[in-house]
Amino acid sequence: GQSLEQPSEVTAVEGAIVQINCTYQTSGFYGLSWYQQHDGGAPTFLSYNALDGLEETGRFSSFLSRSDSYGYLLLQELQMKDSASYFCAVLSRMDSSYKLIFGSGTRLLVRP
Amino acid sequence: DSGVTQTPKHLITATGQRVTLRCSPRSGDLSVYWYQQSLDQGLQFLIQYYNGEERAKGNILERFSAQQFPDLHSELNLSSLELGDSALYFCASTLGQGVDNEQFFGPGTRLTVL
Repeated sequence: GQSLEQPSEVTAVEGAIVQINCTYQTSGFYGLSWYQQHDGGAPTFLSYNALDGLEETGRFSSFLSRSDSYGYLLLQELQMKDSASYFCAVLSRMDSSYKLIFGSGTRLLVRP
Repeated sequence: DSGVTQTPKHLITATGQRVTLRCSPRSGDLSVYWYQQSLDQGLQFLIQYYNGEERAKGNILERFSAQQFPDLHSELNLSSLELGDSALYFCASTLGQGVDNEQFFGPGTRLTVL
């Protein structure tokens, strides 16, 4: 089967750095995505890693280690508007179809 | 604005009833995905359509069905509704069959079953 694990909640201070981890178990792994969702809003895409290493996009970076079935999202220079839920999602290929399976999400609270 | 539209925004109905949720993908996108998000839960993938054909199936109940029409809009039909079906239902779209890792989500339909 497939499973993803990420912490349910993280709290950090404005201006700080926070890392949200994600471990996964899946067959047919293709890549790991991260999505942000504000309360009452729709998920929005943040990043995607198909290869090992770090991808940087502005204040956000995402890391993947395929051998460890592990990834993380790094948020730097935290702002109040970063308070949201963050979902890791595994893109996997089974037969000839692709599926995006989401984790349960990590609620990030940024304090002043 | 992702370019994906969903109607209605809110829906309140009673147990045992049937409802239809509608989704229009971004212009040019051929794939539509349906997700269910219950309170404090992650996104549960329900089903994917690509260019009118069912492409992948997730945790979709037998009481639920979907289809994608020639103009590429999609409808999710939920029947014999139960209290536990109360959730946010999102649709998302991509250009291709799913290798596209970035899915564009609509604003969602909030379904309340009383």
